[in-house]
Amino acid sequence: AQSVTQLDSQVPVFEEAPVELRCNYSSSVSVYLFWYVQYPNQGLQLLLKYLSGSTLVKGINGFEAEFNKSQTSFHLRKPSVHISDTAEYFCAVSASGGSYIPTFGRGTSLIVHP
Amino acid sequence: NAGVTQTPKFRVLKTGQSMTLLCAQDMNHEYMYWYRQDPGMGLRLIHYSVGEGTTAKGEVPDGYNVSRLKKQNFLLGLESAAPSQTSVYFCASSYAQGKLFFGSGTQLSVL
Repeated sequence: AQSVTQLDSQVPVFEEAPVELRCNYSSSVSVYLFWYVQYPNQGLQLLLKYLSGSTLVKGINGFEAEFNKSQTSFHLRKPSVHISDTAEYFCAVSASGGSYIPTFGRGTSLIVHP
Repeated sequence: NAGVTQTPKFRVLKTGQSMTLLCAQDMNHEYMYWYRQDPGMGLRLIHYSVGEGTTAKGEVPDGYNVSRLKKQNFLLGLESAAPSQTSVYFCASSYAQGKLFFGSGTQLSVL
């Protein structure tokens, strides 16, 4: 079984500042990793995913994440945030061999202030 | 493209009533899921299906039943609703190791 820990429940930041949302995972097998975003009153949509290959993954809306196997982390970063990035962000992990059923973290609320 | 469609979008039940939430996807995905979302708890998996005619329990299956009689549909049933089942319910579908496509959610209140 795998688990995900999102270390911050809320991250306030000013517009145009950089941001990092932290995600650590635990698994006894190789994993796939995902970041999803949920805007108010909507379902989740995929930001980016790591399946294999380069550990630096680029996603939509200028976000990127780096897979660090030794630290079992998959932190999400953006060099300059906009007001429109205000949303809930979820990290998810699934086993790369097996049922592929993803487990989600508890979410991090990104609040961008003008 | 419809993607994943959930019905209804809102529902209010009294304790003990029953209801069924319907999820339909038009992407020919094998995998379908039901999650509930509660404040501070993230998304928790209720039940999932890896193909037509198959279902399996997730993290929080008690009080819920599911059926997947057709590949495109995944039904979530509450036989006797309880206030603890007040939540936002999300259906999702995917290929095996692909990204999940989510519906827009069902807000359920049990009084």
